[in-house]
Amino acid sequence: GQQLNQSPQSMFIQEGEDVSMNCTSSSIFNTWLWYKQDPGEGPVLLIALYKAGELTSNGRLTAQFGTTRKDSFLNISASIPSDVGIYFCAGDLTGNQFYFGTGTSLTVIP
Amino acid sequence: SAVISQKPSRDICQRGTSLTIQCQVDSQVTMMFWYRQQPGQSLTLIATANQGSEATYESGFVIDKFPISRPNLTFSTLTVSNMSPEDSSIYLCSVVGSLGGSANTGELFFGEGSRLTVL
Repeated sequence: GQQLNQSPQSMFIQEGEDVSMNCTSSSIFNTWLWYKQDPGEGPVLLIALYKAGELTSNGRLTAQFGTTRKDSFLNISASIPSDVGIYFCAGDLTGNQFYFGTGTSLTVIP
Repeated sequence: SAVISQKPSRDICQRGTSLTIQCQVDSQVTMMFWYRQQPGQSLTLIATANQGSEATYESGFVIDKFPISRPNLTFSTLTVSNMSPEDSSIYLCSVVGSLGGSANTGELFFGEGSRLTVL
């Protein structure tokens, strides 16, 4: 399967700080998705991106579809304790065939 | 988005046995997938469950080990056969849908997962 590299692998931040993470691939993707997974639960879709250069927001979350179509970025502004979890990027390679990044573990310190 | 229910939510199994996981969706969906998430790892695509035909498996996964059924557009099963401790994972059913009825498709939604522990 495809390998999507996500960085950083983990983050420890103070409440109120902004967070940035990114995902890169050697392949061109048609769609980029960002998920959050809490312990013991399935991943929950946060943001979907469909076009190169697209910038989309969902509350305090903003994500961008890289212009090369090989990368994507997720930013979280003014972090709060409930932002804790593991964030995954996912790319759609061939049309409805999704591959996942390695994940970024976020810890927010109150 | 579709509501996806998986059973069992968790199970503890003996080495050498097989377990079938069920996935029920509350609406008809064309695309349905099975993923595996090993402890502390990301999600790996096992196969695409095709309605009325054999599943399409990713490299490293075979039908004898992970037989999949898809009898209709709302239901699928994944069997983990002849289990070993290395099969201890979360197995996730997922479907392609769209958020809020938008015209965009290609968004992947997940069930809660089935956590298997093999002793």
